[in-house]
Amino acid sequence: KAGVTQTPRYLIKTRGQQVTLSCSPISGHRSVSWYQQTPGQGLQFLFEYFSETQRNKGNFPGRFSGRQFSNSRSEMNVSTLELGDSALYLCASSLGRTAQGTDTQYFGPGTRLTVL
Amino acid sequence: AQSVTQLGSHVSVSEGALVLLRCNYSSSVPPYLFWYVQYPNQGLQLLLKYTSAATLVKGINGFEAEFKKSETSFHLTKPSAHMSDAAEYFCAVSETGGFKTIFGAGTRLFVKA
Repeated sequence: KAGVTQTPRYLIKTRGQQVTLSCSPISGHRSVSWYQQTPGQGLQFLFEYFSETQRNKGNFPGRFSGRQFSNSRSEMNVSTLELGDSALYLCASSLGRTAQGTDTQYFGPGTRLTVL
Repeated sequence: AQSVTQLGSHVSVSEGALVLLRCNYSSSVPPYLFWYVQYPNQGLQLLLKYTSAATLVKGINGFEAEFKKSETSFHLTKPSAHMSDAAEYFCAVSETGGFKTIFGAGTRLFVKA
């Protein structure tokens, strides 16, 4: 069974631009979560989608948004990029049968975003 | 509010020695606890998880962790370190019925030959 895939793996943007990251979950998984990982702040939860609906959201500004399609693939968008948005963005998928806390999450390799 | 504290951002052990990575949590409700490992340029891989079934949890690659409610701890151990264990380890907590997973700051494990 194929794992979680994220595209692109590396991305370089300049301040003020916007970016879209993609995540394809493991087949059969309906929940996709997004995390931001930086050296200073560590791993921080962005949001979680289940069956095309955002179920929960972390403490990030509205510039960070996401969506999920009917095939469970998810995209994350960051508008008006800032230098501080440079990070590794990880997505994780799970079956989503129960609350996230009880369901094993499988992580993708991440997308490394650099903002210049 | 939930939180996770990992004691020691860096831990160094000799090959064959005991590995002990410390994690303390805070949660207002019975928690679900996890340990993940991250190798360079890769995503996170689940090592083990505690879901209240048993206080001693065995995971992959010879790791195990013990849930101690009185100490609010969930320390990760491995009897004998291997060079391939060198990586970053994250402790995480999620509340029962919750949707968010809160991660600790991580502990980088170095294994000396």
